[in-house]
Order: sequence, then structure tokens, then C-alpha cells
Amino acid sequence: AQKVTQAQTEISVVEKEDVTLDCVYETRDTTYYLFWYKQPPSGELVFLIRRNSFDEQNEISGRYSWNFQKSTSSFNFTITASQVVDSAVYFCALSEEDYGQNFVFGPGTRLSVLP
Amino acid sequence: KAGVTQTPRYLIKTRGQQVTLSCSPISGHRSVSWYQQTPGQGLQFLFEYFSETQRNKGNFPGRFSGRQFSNSRSEMNVSTLELGDSALYLCASSTGTVDSGNTIYFGEGSWLTVV
Repeated sequence: AQKVTQAQTEISVVEKEDVTLDCVYETRDTTYYLFWYKQPPSGELVFLIRRNSFDEQNEISGRYSWNFQKSTSSFNFTITASQVVDSAVYFCALSEEDYGQNFVFGPGTRLSVLP
Repeated sequence: KAGVTQTPRYLIKTRGQQVTLSCSPISGHRSVSWYQQTPGQGLQFLFEYFSETQRNKGNFPGRFSGRQFSNSRSEMNVSTLELGDSALYLCASSTGTVDSGNTIYFGEGSWLTVV
């Protein structure tokens, strides 16, 4: 069965601090996809990144970086030099389908960046 | 390019009534899915439609139904509303094909309150 765990329920940091959001997943498939989404107060889930199980390269996009480690079934997300606009709920998600939309989401981590 | 559009954004219904929510996907996207988000259960997959056919279904009672039209727009209906149906209902769209991958893009959601 698929499962995504985000152990950190809430995190508070001061602006310009670095912060890492943890994500641990469970799946029996060898082919799967991992995602991160950001949910601001407006409600919309904003896509951040998609990673397939065969690509373990870490990725950096501006202040955002992702660390994918199959050995520990983790897909962690780091925000460098955090800003107030980064305040949101962040969700990690898992899909075992190549083209379907049946995702399993983690419970989310609420990040508050204080000025 | 317009994003996923959901209407209405907010609505209040009485227990026992039924409700219909609408979703217009990103232009060119043929797959639409619906998710329910509640504080207690988090984000849960309801169903997915591709080319007017239900392709996948989550674990929800038959009171929850949906459909997709030839222009890929989708509606979901909840009959005999219960207090526990109060939630944010999110619609997502994707191309729905293997060659384009399974990244899904969400709308801002419809906030349903059942009283």
C-alpha cells in the first residue's frame, strides 16, 4: 500500500533562515513518482516539482532544492534564505501511475516564516 | 494560459440537500480529477475522468458522483449532504497521457459548508 509521511506538522522560522521539510514514502512499485505542492491560504495547490523513481539526481530551482534518496525512501525539500511569501502548507505526494491522477498525499507541513 | 477554474468558490448548503460543483481544466487537458480536503482526513482522491469516462475512483460512498463533458469540463455532485461533507473540494487537470507525464495542476477549490 502507498503511504506518505510528513512528520513535521508545523515549522516556524525567521526570515532568511534555511528550512528543510521532510517526506518519507512507502510503495511496493519500482516505478513511481514523487511530487511537492505548496498550498497558500487561497487554497490552490501549486505544483513545485515532479521526480520519477529512476532519477535520483538532486534538483535546485532558485531558493528551492530537493533531495531524493531511495535508500531511505525520502524526498526532502529545502528552502534556502526563506521569505515571508514562503509561508504556506507544503504537501508531498506519491503516484504509482504513469498518467493517472490518483495521488496519495502526505498530511502536509505548515511553514510559517516570520519577518 | 488559463489555469484550472472552479465554481462556485464558496457555498453553504443544508444537510440533506445536494450540490453540484464545476471545473474547467487547463486548455488541452483531457483528464480531470477531484479531491476532498478536510482537516481530519487531509487530501483524499475522489475520482478521475478521462475523455468522458471514469478512469479511477477513490473510496467514497455512492453519494459522490461526477461526470465529464466532451469539452473536458467536469462536474461533481454530492447528494444527501451530511455535515461531514464540509470540505474544500479541489479539481485538478492533466493531459492524461503517458507521453506528457502525470503532473496534475489544481484549481483554487470550492469551499463547501454543510449546516
